[in-house]
Amino acid sequence: EVQLVESGGALVQPGGSLRLSCAASGFTFSDYWMHWVRQAPGKGLVWVSRINNDGSGTWYADSVKGRFTISRDNPQKTLYLQMSSLRAEDTAVYHCARGLQYQSTDSWGQGTLVTVSS
Amino acid sequence: DIQMTQSPSSLSASVGDRVTITCRASQGIRSDLGWYQQKPGKAPKRLIFTASSLQSGVPSRFSGSGSGTEFTLTISSLQPEDFASYYCLQHNSYPWTFGQGTKVEIK
Repeated sequence: EVQLVESGGALVQPGGSLRLSCAASGFTFSDYWMHWVRQAPGKGLVWVSRINNDGSGTWYADSVKGRFTISRDNPQKTLYLQMSSLRAEDTAVYHCARGLQYQSTDSWGQGTLVTVSS
Repeated sequence: DIQMTQSPSSLSASVGDRVTITCRASQGIRSDLGWYQQKPGKAPKRLIFTASSLQSGVPSRFSGSGSGTEFTLTISSLQPEDFASYYCLQHNSYPWTFGQGTKVEIK
């Protein structure tokens, strides 16, 4: 069974940093491109970032470019999102999701809540 | 960036009704579109991929159609478990973009 389990969400002050993790199991992690998608409370889904299967290529939404860094550890089957210079508008549930190249994401984690507030 | 305009933003329907949700892309995206269902507090679940292919395990009352700029998700006979929010997602080019969502409520 495919499982994606996010962790690392917390309450953090504006300007602070946080690292999210996504532990994968039940599939060959290194075959899949991985994504982060966020959802602010009561709002819709917003794509944040993606990394290709070997970690050599990344892409970011303009709203997080230069502040967030996506990475992965294939032997550990873990995806990361390093978040810095956090703003109130980054408050959201962050989901990790997997997908094959050129395909949409087919499995998602339940998400981890990041709250940016003083 | 490609804008995805989804309509309606909400709808009220009864069990057994036929429901149609539309997404319009600001430029052609071939068939690079997925449809997702999300229930409160849960992860999104993919229903349809490449615009019209049914995800394994998803009931056949769900169907998708369209290509280019106009796409439709149809639920042929709404069931109690279908009351949820629905989103389209274009994956033709980065940044990927979602429609604003459609909340399907009980009439």
